[in-house]
This record gives sequence, structure tokens and C-alpha cells, in this order.
Amino acid sequence: EAGVTQSPTHLIKTRGQQATLRCSPISGHTSVYWYQQALGLGLQFLLWYDEGEERNRGNFPPRFSGRQFPNYSSELNVNALELEDSALYLCASIETGLWMNTEAFFGQGTRLTVV
Amino acid sequence: AQKVTQAQTEISVVEKEDVTLDCVYETRDTTYYLFWYKQPPSGELVFLIRRNSFDEQNEISGRYSWNFQKSTSSFNFTITASQVVDSAVYFCALSGFAYSGAGSYQLTFGKGTKLSVIP
Repeated sequence: EAGVTQSPTHLIKTRGQQATLRCSPISGHTSVYWYQQALGLGLQFLLWYDEGEERNRGNFPPRFSGRQFPNYSSELNVNALELEDSALYLCASIETGLWMNTEAFFGQGTRLTVV
Repeated sequence: AQKVTQAQTEISVVEKEDVTLDCVYETRDTTYYLFWYKQPPSGELVFLIRRNSFDEQNEISGRYSWNFQKSTSSFNFTITASQVVDSAVYFCALSGFAYSGAGSYQLTFGKGTKLSVIP
């Protein structure tokens, strides 16, 4: 069974540009979570999609947005890139919408570098 | 608000030594789950354990063991006879109800502890 896949693996953008990151969850999983892992800050919750809808978002500006498609894959868009957006972006999928009693599976992440 | 603190930023041990990674959490929930994840250099987080707030029994899995103490809000992780392959960043996480924003369950991570096992 394929795990969570993220693309691209690495992405280099210039300040002010837009970046699009993609995530394919494990087959049968309907929920996708996005996290930002910046150096020294741990994992910061970005967005949660479940059944095609945005269920919650973390404390990030509106230029961080995304969507979930009918096949449950997800896209994270970051507009007007800033240098501090450089980070590893991790996607996680779980079978249901709740973290509480189920294991989350993470992808290998997209390393975004803004120059 | 819920919070997870991993006070140890980096730890270095010599192979075969035992090492304990500390995790302290804060939550107002009575029902919650605690997790440990391992992040090797490849970047992918690997699930290690889940423990619910009503189960304070310690758990052992091979060289790994976990000590959950509700009285001190701690969920510490011990690796016995460490190996080079244990070198990674380890994250402790707490799942509970986020009272801010849309109000939903949320997984909150600590900042991680980087473990280096020296041969």
C-alpha cells in the first residue's frame, strides 16, 4: 500500500512568488493535515481538510491557503512568498477526521526554500 | 490552550547508553491522547506510540519504553542500549480540543529533541 506522497520534494522560489505543494493521502483516508516545520520551531499546524472542506486553520496569514479535491488529495498554496516561509512542509493523512484515537501517517515533506 | 514542552533541544549519547527524552504537557481536557513520533533525516515522521489519558500503565516495546505520569503531566520516552539508527529528532504530541479558532480537535507538537547516538 502506498504511503502519503508529497510533491515536489524540493522547491526553490523567489520572494514574492507563489508556491504550490501537493499531497496524496493513503487510499481510504479522507483527512489531510498540513504542518510547517521551520528550523527550531517544531511543527506548526497550518490547515486541516476533511471530506473536501477546510475544517480548521492554524495561526497563519491568509496567503497560506489550500484545497482538497474529490479524490482527497490536497494542495497547499503560499502566495507572496517571504524569506521566513522557507521550511519543510509536511502533510499527514488519517482515516477519519479526528486525531484522538487513530494513527497519523506523514509524507516525507516538501522542502521550500525562498531566496 | 494545550501545550507540549520538550525541554531538551539536543542530546548526544554514546552507543549502548540509555537515554530518556522528556515531555511535559498542558491541557484542560480530561480526555486526550499523547503521542511520540520519530523523524529520521529523510524527514518523514514515524509513529511510535499513542497513549490515552485514562491509561497510565507504562509500556515497553523492545528497547523503547514510555512512562506516563498524569500527576506531573509528563510522558517520557526511554531508549535502552541506544544504537546509531536511533539518531533522529523525536517529537512528543498531544491531541485534544482546541478551544480557539474553529474549535476542533488538534494535534499539538513539542519542538522536538534531536538525539545523536555516537558510535
